[in-house]
Amino acid sequence: GENVGLHLPTLSVQEGDNSIINCAYSNSASDYFIWYKQESGKGPQFIIDIRSNMDKRQGQRVTVLLNKTVKHLSLQIAATQPGDSAVYFCAERPGNFNKFYFGSGTKLNVKP
Amino acid sequence: NAGVMQNPRHLVRRRGQEARLRCSPMKGHSHVYWYRQLPEEGLKFMVYLQKENIIDESGMPKERFSAEFPKEGPSILRIQQVVRGDSAAYFCASSPPAGGLDNEQFFGPGTRLTVL
Repeated sequence: GENVGLHLPTLSVQEGDNSIINCAYSNSASDYFIWYKQESGKGPQFIIDIRSNMDKRQGQRVTVLLNKTVKHLSLQIAATQPGDSAVYFCAERPGNFNKFYFGSGTKLNVKP
Repeated sequence: NAGVMQNPRHLVRRRGQEARLRCSPMKGHSHVYWYRQLPEEGLKFMVYLQKENIIDESGMPKERFSAEFPKEGPSILRIQQVVRGDSAAYFCASSPPAGGLDNEQFFGPGTRLTVL
């Protein structure tokens, strides 16, 4: 469940396009997942969550998809806006305790 | 309705000094978590505390690091005899006392520690 120290991959999209950010998680026992958005110099901000008994959940402009077979999570952002530019992290909770393991993150760059 | 508060926001220490990082959880939250983030990396879990109890410290280095969450006052992450490798952003999160349910963790703005 430990994240790996890698340079952040970057996704560049045009304003108004849809964005898809992917995340591979490590623990098949993880039962709860959260996507966080982190802007420069700030703490992570909750975007959307999903439990392992679901495969899709929608919020306002965001959708999270969960594929437990391949341990994959994705975040879809519709009509991406410049304010969406940030680093996005997926976090998994493996077990009963409310402890999360974070992925290494993806930097989203929205071009006006 | 104040969120999670951390202070100081920036902390500079020389090698060998002590660093104390403070975290006040959201009102009504009794669970506190500390995470460390290196540049260009994700957050790494360090410790999970409830009032006067350490629940899980599996992510804490064995030496020099300690954490507490007293009955009164903020949670404290203490780093003794800091080294340059301790330079990082330290984030605190809190959640309400709902046990093993799906609890969103609310994060503070972080403390950026620089060791000279």
